[in-house]
Amino acid sequence: KAGVTQTPRYLIKTRGQQVTLSCSPISGHRSVSWYQQTPGQGLQFLFEYFSETQRNKGNFPGRFSGRQFSNSRSEMNVSTLELGDSALYLCASSLGTSENNEQFFGPGTRLTVL
Amino acid sequence: SQQGEEDPQALSIQEGENATMNCSYKTSINNLQWYRQNSGRGLVHLILIRSNEREKHSGRLRVTLDTSKKSSSLLITASRAADTASYFCAIYTSGTYKYIFGTGTRLKVLA
Repeated sequence: KAGVTQTPRYLIKTRGQQVTLSCSPISGHRSVSWYQQTPGQGLQFLFEYFSETQRNKGNFPGRFSGRQFSNSRSEMNVSTLELGDSALYLCASSLGTSENNEQFFGPGTRLTVL
Repeated sequence: SQQGEEDPQALSIQEGENATMNCSYKTSINNLQWYRQNSGRGLVHLILIRSNEREKHSGRLRVTLDTSKKSSSLLITASRAADTASYFCAIYTSGTYKYIFGTGTRLKVLA
């Protein structure tokens, strides 16, 4: 069974631009969660989607948004990029909602904002 | 903060030795998961332990959970150089709908 895939793997953008990251969960998994990882703040929860509905959102500004499609694939969007948005963005999928199931992570998208 | 605090922050041991890392938290939890991460790559799931469980095993890994002390430990027995990685705990608290990750323990296993 294929694992969680994320595209692109690397991305370089400039301040003010916007970016869209994609995550394809493991087949049959209905929940996708997104995390931001930086050296200073560690791993921080962005949001979780289950059956196309956002269950929760972390403490991030409105520039960070996401969505989930009917096939469970998910995208996250960051608008008006800032230097501090440079990070590794990880998505994780689980069979059901995250609180009762193991989360399987993708390799991440490394975003660099110049 | 509900964040899991991990101890030690860094650990260096010889191959064949056991490695123990701890995770402490402040609130009641539903479950706790341990992950491994190699050099800034994606996280690999190790073990999920629920609040009503006290111990779980997976191969050379043993996880314990003490809800009275609000702490968990991950033991890696007979460590190998390939175990060199950062290890994170993630706690899930009822009603929060999210996992909070700890700061991680950087383990280095010397050959």
